[in-house]
Amino acid sequence: EIVMTQSPATLSVSPGERATLSCRASQSISSNLAWYQQKPGQAPRLLIYGASSRATGIPARFSGSGSGTEFTLTISSLQSEDFAVYYCQQYNNWPETFGQGTKLEIK
Amino acid sequence: QVQLQESGPGLVKPSQTLSLTCTVSGGSISSDDYYWSWIRQPPGRGLEWIGYIHYSGGTYYNPSLKSRFTISVDTSKNQFSLRLSSVTAADTAVFYCASAVGLMGYFRHWGQGTLVTVSS
Repeated sequence: EIVMTQSPATLSVSPGERATLSCRASQSISSNLAWYQQKPGQAPRLLIYGASSRATGIPARFSGSGSGTEFTLTISSLQSEDFAVYYCQQYNNWPETFGQGTKLEIK
Repeated sequence: QVQLQESGPGLVKPSQTLSLTCTVSGGSISSDDYYWSWIRQPPGRGLEWIGYIHYSGGTYYNPSLKSRFTISVDTSKNQFSLRLSSVTAADTAVFYCASAVGLMGYFRHWGQGTLVTVSS
């Protein structure tokens, strides 16, 4: 099973600033990585798939990059609605696995 | 736009069988585009993929989990279901149904989730 490790566990950033979240796979997963946003009491929402493709309706301030084992989610200018928990997920190897999440909080 | 909605009891006694149903609307469950999935999230913890089913009946389960899960599909009702036998308190979680884009894919659409508590 591929282990997905996200860092940091908690990230404190001020509104309007840039946030950079990391996700590392225990072995290469090519570009088969997705990012999700989850707010309290809500289901996760797909943000990014294929490591860098934005899902329908996702603002351009969200961008994903990386391949192999190292991936990054960047939020270019944080809005109040962006403070949430973010999960990465690999779908290259069986079984599909998620990272433990990064909580993005207001500084 | 595909929408999913979970339904089922919020409280199950230990050793009993948990049964949940996901109703798909805004699209056909008999689509070749999606594999219909179940994912769980224990309170305060991360996400765990349980398994998924294709409308043709093919099922795929997380081999890391004990084989207590069964996923089935009812195309006539545009629904798919999850059964979990011999539940314990460790099975307390929010259960989500979701659409996976292809076999081994990302999860495009999600239900709102349903909290299932295992307690006597």
